[in-house]
Amino acid sequence: AQKITQTQPGMFVQEKEAVTLDCTYDTSDPSYGLFWYKQPSSGEMIFLIYQGSYDQQNATEGRYSLNFQKARKSANLVISASQLGDSAMYFCAMRETNTGNQFYFGTGTSLTVIP
Amino acid sequence: KAGVTQTPRYLIKTRGQQVTLSCSPISGHRSVSWYQQTPGQGLQFLFEYFSETQRNKGNFPGRFSGRQFSNSRSEMNVSTLELGDSALYLCASSWGTGEYNTGELFFGEGSRLTVL
Repeated sequence: AQKITQTQPGMFVQEKEAVTLDCTYDTSDPSYGLFWYKQPSSGEMIFLIYQGSYDQQNATEGRYSLNFQKARKSANLVISASQLGDSAMYFCAMRETNTGNQFYFGTGTSLTVIP
Repeated sequence: KAGVTQTPRYLIKTRGQQVTLSCSPISGHRSVSWYQQTPGQGLQFLFEYFSETQRNKGNFPGRFSGRQFSNSRSEMNVSTLELGDSALYLCASSWGTGEYNTGELFFGEGSRLTVL
């Protein structure tokens, strides 16, 4: 089974609007971390936001927020007030505490912000 | 604070050759991980090194190897290159590993390998 599933290969959003990128995960490890990364065309992976499995509140970082629904095993990324510079690939990732720094990545969602 | 540095950024090799890629982690980071990114397979974990020891290894053939030096710099080597090895190879560093690390990975810009 896939550890991380991103079902939206491509998304479009109007500038200044909000957009939600979906991510579901699969693990039996009680302790894990969920991450979102942005990858522009340059290739570098840029960390956006982190949610720990024991965190009670949803993580927020500026315009990014993570909608964490533990029972559903989902960790959707919400980008508010989209900007043209947000156009990139977005990857959801998970690290299980027992497997060191091995991250499992989803297949990514290509986001295009339309002016 | 300097980020993760990978060299070379681009390289072209032919089948059967070997290649060595280098990664300098963020100062103070002791864990270095390598990932292969291809359009078909996405991002796949290759291996992780921590304090010069391989901590974890992904599902790749033995042609893929790596090492870490005492200054935490890491190299990965691919021998007997195949066309399918064409990919973006990403290095990532973090200060710790396993249960002692809940932080994110910091990635370099990658080394883009083309095998002809």
